[in-house]
Amino acid sequence: DADVTQTPRNRITKTGKRIMLECSQTKGHDRMYWYRQDPGLGLRLIYYSFDVKDINKGEISDGYSVSRQAQAKFSLSLESAIPNQTALYFCATSRSGSSYEQYFGPGTRLTVT
Amino acid sequence: AQSVTQLGSHVSVSEGALVLLRCNYSSSVPPYLFWYVQYPNQGLQLLLKYTTGATLVKGINGFEAEFKKSETSFHLTKPSAHMSDAAEYFCAVTDSYGNKLVFGAGTILRVKS
Repeated sequence: DADVTQTPRNRITKTGKRIMLECSQTKGHDRMYWYRQDPGLGLRLIYYSFDVKDINKGEISDGYSVSRQAQAKFSLSLESAIPNQTALYFCATSRSGSSYEQYFGPGTRLTVT
Repeated sequence: AQSVTQLGSHVSVSEGALVLLRCNYSSSVPPYLFWYVQYPNQGLQLLLKYTTGATLVKGINGFEAEFKKSETSFHLTKPSAHMSDAAEYFCAVTDSYGNKLVFGAGTILRVKS
């Protein structure tokens, strides 16, 4: 069974629509992250959360919001999707006090038309 | 701010040849360092990491990397490439506070038969 799961795996939506990407983990980690991947740009951090009450903006948070519903769940929302938000989105987890390695979900491929 | 440079967005080697993927980081403070691999349509998988101690670290699938503080480098090598090594490889380092990872842009490795 996957330790970090993401739903949906693929999504096509229209400009202006609100969309939510969900992430769940069974690793028992306290830290969770959302990244987007674009060709040639690597992974860029959107938001991160060190516990349920601690949420922080990453380098590219504009146009996105997040919710940490529980230690195991971290959702990413696009309030009004635009075409340049077409990308591959990854959720990741890590454990505080460890050596900081992160564990990634399988990704969500989002297309905004 | 910490930054990571991966030299060469695409690297092509013959099967059985040496694999060398280059990674340099910007900080003068030794960070924790990681290499991740991404196979097509999958998430990122940790290959190896350097935290402290021995500067030559071994990872999965025969890969290894050497931390060279004086060169601020963490290059990834494998003595003999296999077709299954074809993937995208990402170098990542912890930020100055050790709270987040900063990723390079990635290197796509192609293995020719």
